[in-house]
Formats: sequence, structure tokens, C-alpha cells
Amino acid sequence: AQSVTQLGSHVSVSEGALVLLRCNYSSSVPPYLFWYVQYPNQGLQLLLKYTTGATLVKGINGFEAEFKKSETSFHLTKPSAHMSDAAEYFCVLGETSYDKVIFGPGTSLSVIP
Amino acid sequence: DGGITQSPKYLFRKEGQNVTLSCEQNLNHDAMYWYRQDPGQGLRLIYYSQIVNDFQKGDIAEGYSVSREKKESFPLTVTSAQKNPTAFYLCASTAGGSSYEQYFGPGTRLTVT
Repeated sequence: AQSVTQLGSHVSVSEGALVLLRCNYSSSVPPYLFWYVQYPNQGLQLLLKYTTGATLVKGINGFEAEFKKSETSFHLTKPSAHMSDAAEYFCVLGETSYDKVIFGPGTSLSVIP
Repeated sequence: DGGITQSPKYLFRKEGQNVTLSCEQNLNHDAMYWYRQDPGQGLRLIYYSQIVNDFQKGDIAEGYSVSREKKESFPLTVTSAQKNPTAFYLCASTAGGSSYEQYFGPGTRLTVT
């Protein structure tokens, strides 16, 4: 069965420090993978996506993620955290049946000044 | 600008009343979705529709109903049968086919007392 796990429901980093949010997936077919960000009381915004091709994917706001098939991972990173990065982050797996997707449980990122 | 609109942003209802949440998109997307989000939790799929006049139940459809009479519109009715309707509701759409990238509306926060 396809699934998505995110290690750590809450992550805190200092402003200027590296951001690393972990995502692992399970899929029997080549996956489509996404990271979304959600600010309080708002909808989700796409940060980046992996479909095929280059395994290092760059997104908006300085975020990037690397698809590692051998590790079934798609971790999200940003070299230097900014206060505005404080939000909820969701890793999402595209399911093969029609257009349904599987959401990870989310990771809440706090940035400490 | 193309996008998804949801109205209203905040909605208050008395227990036992049905309430309809609006979702409209001008992206010319084929597929539309309704999700429910509870505090500290991920997104759970309520209903989705891949084409006009057709829709399927998601993981938590009980107590909800939808219609898809127009491509642009996918309203969600929260009925009195829904035992715990207070939540944040998100509407999304995709272009269809093998496109899993979901575009989200700003959400409606429903409070039932």
C-alpha cells in the first residue's frame, strides 16, 4: 500500500539555521512527490514537486528537496531559516489511481529568533 | 488571475442545521476535491469529482454530500448527520489525467455549536 510518513510532527530551528524536514514514502510504482506549505488559517501552497528527471528539485522561497529512490525519501531542506518559514509542511504522494493523492501527517516548523 | 475561491471564510451554524460550503474554480480543471482538516492533523478526503455530474466518496464521506453540475463549481453540504462538523474545510482541483498537482482554495472554517 502506498503511504507517506513525516518524521517529527514538530521541528524547531533557530533563525539562520538549516531546515530539514523528513519525508519517506512507500510506493510500488514510480512516485510523484510534492511538498506543500500551509500558513495558519490558509490553504496549501505548492513548494516544489518531483515527477521524473532530475532528483534535486528546487522550489519557491529557497527550499529544495532531493528524491532518493534507494532510501524512499524526499526530504525538504533550506540552508537558512527565516522567521517567515514558520508554518505547517506536508509531504504528498501522487497515487496511481486517477488523481488522488496521499498526504503525510504534516510537520509544524517553528523558527526561533 | 486563475484560482479557487471558497466562501465564506468563516461560517457559524447551530447544531442540526445543514450548511453548504461554496467552491469555485476558473482554472478549467477537470477534477475537484474536498478535504477536512482538524487541529494538528493532516488532510482527509471527503469527496472528489473527476468530471461533471460524477463524484466519488473519499475516506470520510459520511454526513456530507456534494454535487458537480458545472465544471467550475463543487459545493459541499455538511448535513446534520455529520457528528462532529466543526473543522477547516479545503477545496482543491487538478488538471486531471496524471497530473497530481493540487491547487487549493483558502479554506472555510466551520463552527457548529
